[in-house]
Amino acid sequence: ETGVTQTPRHLVMGMTNKKSLKCEQHLGHNAMYWYKQSAKKPLELMFVYNFKEQTENNSVPSRFSPECPNSSHLFLHLHTLQPEDSALYLCASSRTEGGGTGELFFGEGSRLTVL
Amino acid sequence: DAKTTQPPSMDCAEGRAANLPCNHSTISGNEYVYWYRQIHSQGPQYIIHGLKNNETNEMASLIITEDRKSSTLILPHATLRDTAVYYCIVRVGGGSQGNLIFGKGTKLSVKP
Repeated sequence: ETGVTQTPRHLVMGMTNKKSLKCEQHLGHNAMYWYKQSAKKPLELMFVYNFKEQTENNSVPSRFSPECPNSSHLFLHLHTLQPEDSALYLCASSRTEGGGTGELFFGEGSRLTVL
Repeated sequence: DAKTTQPPSMDCAEGRAANLPCNHSTISGNEYVYWYRQIHSQGPQYIIHGLKNNETNEMASLIITEDRKSSTLILPHATLRDTAVYYCIVRVGGGSQGNLIFGKGTKLSVKP
């Protein structure tokens, strides 16, 4: 238990569906992240939020739409995905400043399959 | 950020020390060495990090050479649950670790 909870753990969707992934952290962190891990590829950073504001978007296609309503919750809205978007989507959180190691705490991921 | 080189895979006998090497010959003076691991189908887990002194915590020890061009992560008594992919990452320190760039890592297999 890392303090970062992702739901759903598994999701199967068609290319025309709209679905959302949810992430919640109970660690009091103020930075949250979405990563993508495709089969046999390294982790790719998708989005970064600091204090609810998006501070980084690594050229992610618009069919992925993040939302961060507060520092504890992060969503990834999915629309018109492609089969190659099938992957493990990982959420993480960390402190941004003020001491500590700044280490990342990851959730267990949402395994997405696009048919 | 400096690039790192790790062997793609290693084996270790249960109960023995696992020594995972990492080369980072282009590391600059303000870059730290971070180690994470990822157990199958889980999110990565922070292990340890350091700048130039050796570091130890409840999970592992980090030995950084004097010239800082390489380091070794040591799991003193490996168990089957330590089977995972281990990532060595070099990055400028301070603040959050959210912009760490994960490579392919070393797949450590601990065998009975």
